[in-house]
Amino acid sequence: DGGITQSPKYLFRKEGQNVTLSCEQNLNHDAMYWYRQDPGQGLRLIYYSQIVNDFQKGDIAEGYSVSREKKESFPLTVTSAQKNPTAFYLCASSISLSSGANVLTFGAGSRLTVL
Amino acid sequence: KNEVEQSPQNLTAQEGEFITINCSYSVGISALHWLQQHPGGGIVSLFMLSSGKKKHGRLIATINIQEKHSSLHITASHPRDSAVYICAARKIGNQFYFGTGTSLTVIP
Repeated sequence: DGGITQSPKYLFRKEGQNVTLSCEQNLNHDAMYWYRQDPGQGLRLIYYSQIVNDFQKGDIAEGYSVSREKKESFPLTVTSAQKNPTAFYLCASSISLSSGANVLTFGAGSRLTVL
Repeated sequence: KNEVEQSPQNLTAQEGEFITINCSYSVGISALHWLQQHPGGGIVSLFMLSSGKKKHGRLIATINIQEKHSSLHITASHPRDSAVYICAARKIGNQFYFGTGTSLTVIP
C-alpha cells in the first residue's frame, strides 16, 4: 500500500543534540512538507520541497534543516539551535492530478521530547 | 490573524446528533481540504473541495467560494467520530494553511 512512513514515532533527546526525523513516501508525490504541531495551534510549516534537490523555508525554519536528495525521502534535522524543539512533527506529501484534484497525505507523526 | 479560522474550537454532542464545523479563509485558494486527526496523532484526509458539495457516508462537506467559507457536517454522529477536524486551504502553488482544529467529542 502506498503511504508515508515517518520514523521514529517517539524520540527523546538531550539538550544540545541534533536529531534527524525520517520521512519516506512511495506515492510518487512531487511535493513534500514538514509541519510542527503544538497544543492549541494549527500546523505550522517548517520546510517544503516541490522537487528533488530544491526546498524552501516555511514560517518556522530556524533551528531546522532538510534535504531532498531523492523524490521519496525528505528527512528533517532538528538542530541544537532550535530553542523549543519538543513537539509533534508531521510529514506530508501532495500531488496535483490532471483532473484538477489535489491529494494531500500525512505520515503518522514523530513525537520529539527534549529532556 | 490566521488565514484560516475554524469554529467551534471544541464541540460535545450526544450520539445521533447532527454536527456542523465551520471554516472561513481569507486567502485565494485552489482547493480546501478537511482532515481528521485521531488521538494517536495521524491525520487522514476526508475531503478535497474546490467547489460545491461532496458526500462520503455520513460526512458532507460544502464550500462557498464567493463567501470563502466551508462547512463539514456529520449526520447521525457516533462516538467513533470523536477526533480533531482540521480545515486546510491550499493556496495557488503548493502551500497549505491550516485552521487550529475543532475537537469533537461524541457521547454515547
